[in-house]
Parts: sequence; structure tokens; C-alpha cells
Amino acid sequence: GAGVSQTPSNKVTEKGKYVELRCDPISGHTALYWYRQSLGQGPEFLIYFQGTGAADDSGLPNDRFFAVRPEGSVSTLKIQRTERGDSAVYLCASSLTRATGGSEQYFGPGTRLTVT
Amino acid sequence: GNSVTQMEGPVTLSEEAFLTINCTYTATGYPSLFWYVQYPGEGLQLLLKATKADDKGSNKGFEATYRKETTSFHLEKGSVQVSDSAVYFCALHTGANSKLTFGKGITLSVRP
Repeated sequence: GAGVSQTPSNKVTEKGKYVELRCDPISGHTALYWYRQSLGQGPEFLIYFQGTGAADDSGLPNDRFFAVRPEGSVSTLKIQRTERGDSAVYLCASSLTRATGGSEQYFGPGTRLTVT
Repeated sequence: GNSVTQMEGPVTLSEEAFLTINCTYTATGYPSLFWYVQYPGEGLQLLLKATKADDKGSNKGFEATYRKETTSFHLEKGSVQVSDSAVYFCALHTGANSKLTFGKGITLSVRP
């Protein structure tokens, strides 16, 4: 079956602009995660959804970042007033249930965001 | 808080060489431990995992043992192949939350 998909694969935007990044999780997966991966670093957690609600948004760096998942499937990560420091690869992952124990998170290919 | 420390890279080996990639962690509670791999041009994928102390995860000839006494989860392979060239990430997850905490990753290059 289809894996996690993310669109766009690449996004170049100017400083100060607004961007939306989309994630389509694996069908039936109730848990969805956003991570951010800067060059030379491992992914860093941003936010976790269980169904439609954000169960943990402790990783969002500031109030310019917001994410929604209105129907419990597709999620959109929204970044307002982008800054050059927001440039990174944004990864989405999903899992069948809340990822307790060894439950696997499946990752999408990522969206590479470049802020000029 | 939780953290994962990986050895500095990159690592370059000849085909059929023995591989060890070190990983140590600090965590509250009892973490599950993972190795993820990212092949060139592909997304992150789970390589192996261990959910409790002394468990050994294995896949594709790779192994890692969950060592609680040394808070380590070192990745090993007896004979690497060119196709193993990739970036390897150690990660952990605790029951207190659902997020994965990753190390910085290490790039492995295997020469023919």
C-alpha cells in the first residue's frame, strides 16, 4: 500500500512569507508526527496528533508554527513570517496507534524548505 | 530530558569489514531504542528496535543489544556491503510521550 506522502517535495520562499506543508499519512494510522531536520542533525520533534487533536505540541519552536489535522487524516504544518532559520527538511511520520513500546513510526520523504 | 549521543562521523570502510557504530542515551523512564537508516535519496526507515533491557534487535545482518547498565545501543554488522552506505540514526522513545528523540546521525560509506 501507499506510504506517507508529503507535498511539496521542495519549497523555496522569501523571508517573511507564509508557507503550508502537507502530509498524507498511511491510511488507518491514527497517530501523526511532524519533525524538523536541519543540515547535519537528526530529526527534532515538533508536534504529535492522535486523531484530530494535537496531543503534544511541545516541540513547536514558537507561535509562528502551527499544525492542524481537521479530519484525523491529512495534516498541514503552517509557518507564518518565515525566517532563514526555518530552512530545513520537514518530516512527517505516522503510526497505527500511539507509539508506545515498539510501535513503528513510518516516515515520509520530507519537504525541503528553503527561506531566502 | 531524553537525549541520544552518537559517535562522530563519517565512517568509511572497505566491503566485508566489521562495523560498530556507538550510541548512548539518557532517558527518563524505560525507553524503547531504535536504529533508523536513510539510504541516498530515500526517506527514513526503521532498521531494528529493542523494547527492553538485554533485548537484541536484528535485521539485514545488523544487530544491536539494549544495555541498560551502560545505557548503550551500539549497532554492529559483521561484514558490510556497498549497499549499506547510508546515514544511520539512533533514537529512543519513552512511554511518557510519543515522540522519537534522535541522535545526530552518522554517515557510513562502504568502498568496493
